Amino acid sequence: DTEVTQTPKHLVMGMTNKKSLKCEQHMGHRAMYWYKQKAKKPPELMFVYSYEKLSINESVPSRFSPECPNSSLLNLHLHALQPEDSALYLCASSQEPLSNTEAFFGQGTRLTVV
Amino acid sequence: RKEVEQDPGPFNVPEGATVAFNCTYSNSASQSFFWYRQDCRKEPKLLMSVYSSGNEDGRFTAQLNRASQYISLLIRDSKLSDSATYLCVVHGNQFYFGTGTSLTVIP
Repeated sequence: DTEVTQTPKHLVMGMTNKKSLKCEQHMGHRAMYWYKQKAKKPPELMFVYSYEKLSINESVPSRFSPECPNSSLLNLHLHALQPEDSALYLCASSQEPLSNTEAFFGQGTRLTVV
Repeated sequence: RKEVEQDPGPFNVPEGATVAFNCTYSNSASQSFFWYRQDCRKEPKLLMSVYSSGNEDGRFTAQLNRASQYISLLIRDSKLSDSATYLCVVHGNQFYFGTGTSLTVIP
């Protein structure tokens, strides 16, 4: 199993809603990542979890709240988002935080904030 | 200065052409290097890892020059299905992405 699974694939939410994005991998990877990608731009790193602990937070607004319940799961809780937060949200995982192995990406959640 | 610099293109080439993409990185301590391919509205997928010795996979050849902090990708005999955005990725304490190079192969 070399998959990273993200749900939902599409999400439309209002600015007062609370929603969560979910990510799951069963490759035994110990590093997991959230990226945000706008159209025609590269992915921008939001958070890195290393051994289930938050190791990097790229100055992301508090309306985005990550959570790593266990080594296979990564969530991103969303609250009071703005229309400019509409983007593709990608989850990725890699074997070890500082290893030389590649990152595997999920298919992403396409988020629209209305 | 950006961690990874990449020519965004676009590159429009005819089928059968050879095309080369280049990328430079700023952190000499970077450990690993990759080319990813991203199709429109899809996630990035690993195309190749890049090694100092150079590596080849069919029509694709990747090269790393650590002294110049330079990474390249060569695509020979371009196919229509090669049309995508190619992302140069450098791994230090996180994965750093170049801006991506857009390739369109024209019939």
